[in-house]
Amino acid sequence: AQSVTQLDSHVSVSEGTPVLLRCNYSSSYSPSLFWYVQHPNKGLQLLLKYTSAATLVKGINGFEAEFKKSETSFHLTKPSAHMSDAAEYFCVVSDREGDMRFGAGTRLTVKP
Amino acid sequence: DGGITQSPKYLFRKEGQNVTLSCEQNLNHDAMYWYRQDPGQGLRLIYYSQIVNDFQKGDIAEGYSVSREKKESFPLTVTSAQKNPTAFYLCASTRQIRANMNTEAFFGQGTRLTVV
Repeated sequence: AQSVTQLDSHVSVSEGTPVLLRCNYSSSYSPSLFWYVQHPNKGLQLLLKYTSAATLVKGINGFEAEFKKSETSFHLTKPSAHMSDAAEYFCVVSDREGDMRFGAGTRLTVKP
Repeated sequence: DGGITQSPKYLFRKEGQNVTLSCEQNLNHDAMYWYRQDPGQGLRLIYYSQIVNDFQKGDIAEGYSVSREKKESFPLTVTSAQKNPTAFYLCASTRQIRANMNTEAFFGQGTRLTVV
């Protein structure tokens, strides 16, 4: 079965500094990978997705992620954090087995 | 407007009772999923279904049951065998783009179940 590991349960950055949220996956097939964001008391919003096209994927709000098959990673980055980026972020993997699994989440805190 | 509807939004259950959570989608999506969200544990997969009349267990299926009699409906029953049913439950659906690849997920608004 496929799985996702988010390497940090909590990341804290200062406003204006880079953001790195790490995600490693396990899949027996070519996976589709997604990042979602969940603000407090809000629903899940898709940030970006990888579905076997370009390995560098650009998403909304300045986020991007790079699919690295050799490292089985799909880390999420942003050059400069904004206060509004504070939220919970989830990495998700899906493949031909038909299931869709979430990581445990990374809580991003942005300090002024 | 197309979307996923979960009902009810809040649900209270007495211990020992079964309860069914509804999930309906009018997106013509092929696959549907049920997740449970607990603080600090992300979303854990309970059951999923790729086609009508077929479904598979996820990581925490014990104490839950599902059916997929229609493409648009995927109800989840929380049985009395579920030891800790108080949680937030999310239903999702995806469309199959081609063999072995689905779109991103669309989510319902969730049902918060409390056992009293």
